[in-house]
Amino acid sequence: QQPVQSPQAVILREGEDAVINCSSSKALYSVHWYRQKHGEAPVFLMILLKGGEQKGHEKISASFNEKKQQSSLYLTASQLSYSGTYFCGTGEEWGDYKLSFGAGTTVTVRA
Amino acid sequence: ETGVTQTPRHLVMGMTNKKSLKCEQHLGHNAMYWYKQSAKKPLELMFVYSLEERVENNSVPSRFSPECPNSSHLFLHLHTLQPEDSALYLCASSQNRGPPYEQYFGPGTRLTVT
Repeated sequence: QQPVQSPQAVILREGEDAVINCSSSKALYSVHWYRQKHGEAPVFLMILLKGGEQKGHEKISASFNEKKQQSSLYLTASQLSYSGTYFCGTGEEWGDYKLSFGAGTTVTVRA
Repeated sequence: ETGVTQTPRHLVMGMTNKKSLKCEQHLGHNAMYWYKQSAKKPLELMFVYSLEERVENNSVPSRFSPECPNSSHLFLHLHTLQPEDSALYLCASSQNRGPPYEQYFGPGTRLTVT
């Protein structure tokens, strides 16, 4: 079963913050975050593992709540380059290389 | 060339045509994937190959036929497609052993079935 992402879309001004959520009905071992710009390939941002720590990538960070089977991606002080569609992919077991992806959250950052 | 490459980038085909999509990875990975990406829908996993053996076929119609001749190349053979098959087809690769690894995606083939 595929994870559910919210919101579907968000519009920000440069410098504003946003949170994207990814929820699953199944117990998870890993959550992967990707960003896809229009006409381009999805690009890997980070992986969060069960029992792991919060991760960060520049001003983009994420957390993983194993009990709630939920991950959140935090965009802090957003930049124009943050625009794109963000996808979460979930894995249920250690060594699980087949992911289930959410429908994506489209982020638009305006000057 | 590095990363994951896909050819062609755009393809228009009639419902009676036969065509093939090609994917090549230069990352030394041993798992390769085909995904279908339609507007406003989650990425749909179609096929997974691990060490050149097909390990997943997510109820994909037989008009899509994958082929993985070696760990670096993946093909998707198409025949008698339907208009609803129009989508972006993405190829990806990753390691397949040990802890979860990131998947590296190609730029995709934009397929239009007329």
